Amino acid sequence: GAVVSQHPSWVICKSGTSVKIECRSLDFQATTMFWYRQFPKQSLMLMATSNEGSKATYEQGVEKDKFLINHASLTLSTLTVTSAHPEDSSFYICSARGGSGDSYEQYFGPGTRLTVT
Amino acid sequence: GQNIDQPTEMTATEGAIVQINCTYQTSGFNGLFWYQQHAGEAPTFLSYNVLDGLEEKGRFSSFLSRSKGYSYLLLKELQMKDSASYLCAGMDSNYQLIWGAGTKLIIKP
Repeated sequence: GAVVSQHPSWVICKSGTSVKIECRSLDFQATTMFWYRQFPKQSLMLMATSNEGSKATYEQGVEKDKFLINHASLTLSTLTVTSAHPEDSSFYICSARGGSGDSYEQYFGPGTRLTVT
Repeated sequence: GQNIDQPTEMTATEGAIVQINCTYQTSGFNGLFWYQQHAGEAPTFLSYNVLDGLEEKGRFSSFLSRSKGYSYLLLKELQMKDSASYLCAGMDSNYQLIWGAGTKLIIKP
């Protein structure tokens, strides 16, 4: 089956620093990748959708200058949390979707737990 | 607006059957997904329905009624490892997933 990896799986950083999270589709080409954030005991919140080679589309209320998304290839997307603050501490999950066939299933990465101190 | 409703929490007994309901309102409709999410982990795919009816996959089955905007996930022969949150998500006309808040399923011995 389709496999999506994320790196790192967890990260602790100091307030004001930037953190980059990588999302890779290992055995398929992901034309579209999604970035989600999930706070404890809450549902997934879509942050942005990115298509390979084009700018990401951000959901309302998500600051594009703070959460930089780069989808440079069909197998890699990165999310950079710039000038992180404690309120950015959350579980960040990426998912990927291929562009062919009649399945629109999203394959999820294992998630990255970010703690900002 | 777009909305997905599902119960917040359900409790069931090991070995029993449980049905988790989901009602949806989306702008256009391209299918209904169910995902399982264990605490601290990412969601994993369970099922996808785009036509009316019941899809059976082992101990799990998923049902869809497009006219009623309704779906359910049926779990049979419950095991302790089935304790998790179950997320219902509808796909809109832009192929975006609209997520429910999830149903936390607690399995008791």
